[in-house]
Amino acid sequence: AQSVAQPEDQVNVAEGNPLTVKCTYSVSGNPYLFWYVQYPNRGLQFLLKYITGDNLVKGSYGFEAEFNKSQTSFHLKKPSALVSDSALYFCAVRDAYSADSWGKLQFGAGTQVVVTP
Amino acid sequence: KAGVTQTPRYLIKTRGQQVTLSCSPISGHRSVSWYQQTPGQGLQFLFEYFSETQRNKGNFPGRFSGRQFSNSRSEMNVSTLELGDSALYLCASSPTGQSTDTQYFGPGTRLTVL
Repeated sequence: AQSVAQPEDQVNVAEGNPLTVKCTYSVSGNPYLFWYVQYPNRGLQFLLKYITGDNLVKGSYGFEAEFNKSQTSFHLKKPSALVSDSALYFCAVRDAYSADSWGKLQFGAGTQVVVTP
Repeated sequence: KAGVTQTPRYLIKTRGQQVTLSCSPISGHRSVSWYQQTPGQGLQFLFEYFSETQRNKGNFPGRFSGRQFSNSRSEMNVSTLELGDSALYLCASSPTGQSTDTQYFGPGTRLTVL
């Protein structure tokens, strides 16, 4: 079975400060990890993914994430947050070798990010 | 390329009715997945279709069904609607549905059951 935990329901940060959204995962095999963002009344927008290779992944809109196998974590980061980054962020995982992974992402509960001016 | 499109965007139905939602994937994408999003349960996987075949299914009752057409467009149907079916239904497409694929999501259909 695969699962994702996002331990913080909400993260508050001032504009210009660093933003971190935490994610830990559990899979039987090797993980493929994804981050998505959702704005109100919209679908999910893809930010970045880790498949293999460099543990630091760079994505859209200045976001990056670091894969840490020993801590089973994939935290999302942005060096300087903008008010427009205020949204709901989802971490998702797939087990690389599970037949149950066809077309399926296992999502965390989501973290609401609030960036204040 | 045009993104994933879903119709209708909003629906209001009453208990006991049935509903059909439509999804058009990104051109060239052959895998279509459906998810249900609710405040209480979050994002839950419904099913995935590839080349008109259901390859994977989540833990939902048989009232939830889907299909895919030869042009990769997909529909999902919910019969005998219950109040708890009120949710945002999201469709996502990817080239093949493989584990390394990125899924691209549509804007969703907001279903309200009265």
